[in-house]
Formats: sequence, structure tokens, C-alpha cells
Amino acid sequence: GAGVSQSPSNKVTEKGKDVELRCDPISGHTALYWYRQSLGQGLEFLIYFQGNSAPDKSGLPSDRFSAERTGGSVSTLTIQRTQQEDSAVYLCASSLTASYQREQFFGPGTRLTVL
Amino acid sequence: DAKTTQPTSMDCAEGRAANLPCNHSTISGNEYVYWYRQIHSQGPQYIIHGLKNNETNEMASLIITEDRKSSTLILPHATLRDTAVYYCIVRVAEGETSYDKVIFGPGTSLSVIP
Repeated sequence: GAGVSQSPSNKVTEKGKDVELRCDPISGHTALYWYRQSLGQGLEFLIYFQGNSAPDKSGLPSDRFSAERTGGSVSTLTIQRTQQEDSAVYLCASSLTASYQREQFFGPGTRLTVL
Repeated sequence: DAKTTQPTSMDCAEGRAANLPCNHSTISGNEYVYWYRQIHSQGPQYIIHGLKNNETNEMASLIITEDRKSSTLILPHATLRDTAVYYCIVRVAEGETSYDKVIFGPGTSLSVIP
């Protein structure tokens, strides 16, 4: 595809339910990043993938959050037992490689609302 | 990580140049200044980046002071479509892998006025 795609674009869920957010990076991009943005806030780093491995999971806020990437392409961010404070826009980005100069291209995000 | 500070909001008349300042007084010698913007309901979009020299591309110009402690993003002829939040960041590189995490602060909300 032409850019990074994410699905669903919007997700409303009840507190305590599990949710899965999907990211399709730009074809050929080996690096993939997940961020979240709460209302009026800047971006918060969650996790980074290089290929299928995640060298940096330092940003995951709790053990309710997990992510995987298969085939070096699609990634899924899973939030278990969602809480109201999980409500945010979850953004995925990819870059051609993980090198310092490589730009990250962002998807449109998934807006998660936990009731 | 070098921290950046930006004004919370700015207005600019349509057709005029928009000059967005950013302070990054603790920037390290090998850190670059990057600018992104985020139009409402869209993901962040890369604009431009630089190390020490001024840079220009089809979207904007970046002016970095000689001491590298501040920079200015210039949109030469602002249009209504340029209304967005503009983020000035300093890129962080980690170890041998040299990957980086793009970390944004609250940015500057630019409103282009007709």
C-alpha cells in the first residue's frame, strides 16, 4: 500500500474487555513503532520492532499491554482488561530501517475509547 | 534526551510566512532537529530536519542558530491547510542499533486565519 494503515479507525469498548489493534506498515519497512497520544498530549512511545523482534518494550505501561509482529510485516497491539485510562489514539509508524536518519511514517491511528 | 520548548499556540494570516520557534538548549552535538506536524484527526507528518546548516524543502525552511540552541521552522506562504500542531523534536539514538523513538511534546498549535 501507499502508506501505513491501521484498523480499526475507532474502537469503543467496555472496561475490562480485551482489544486488538492492527498495523500494516509500508511494504519493505523493517522497523515498526507503536505510540499512543492522549487528548491534548504529545506522543508516548510504547514499543519498537526490528523485524519480528522487539528490542525495546520499555514504553509499555503495564503487563496488560503486549504486541507482536509476524512475518516482519503486520503488527498487533493487544490491551487486556482495558481501563478508562487506556483511552487514547494509538499510532503506528514504520521506517525503512532502524538507522538514525530514517524517517518514521505514521498511520492515521486507532481511537480507543474505554467506557 | 534534549528537551524542546515551543509556544503553545500561534496565529498566522493566510499567505504570510509562519515562523515557528523552538528552543533546544541542551541539544547534543550529534543530535538532529526534526519538525513534524499533525493535522486534526491525522497521524503526524514529517516536515524537515537538520543538524547545523539551514535546510529547505518543498514544504518549509529550517533555520538553526549557530550555537544550535534554537531553531525556527518557516512556512513561506501559509495556507488554511497548514493549520495543525507543529512538533519540534530532537532525535534520540540508542547504542549500536541506532534506532530512535520519535518523542513529541505538546507542540505549537498553528492557526492560519483567512
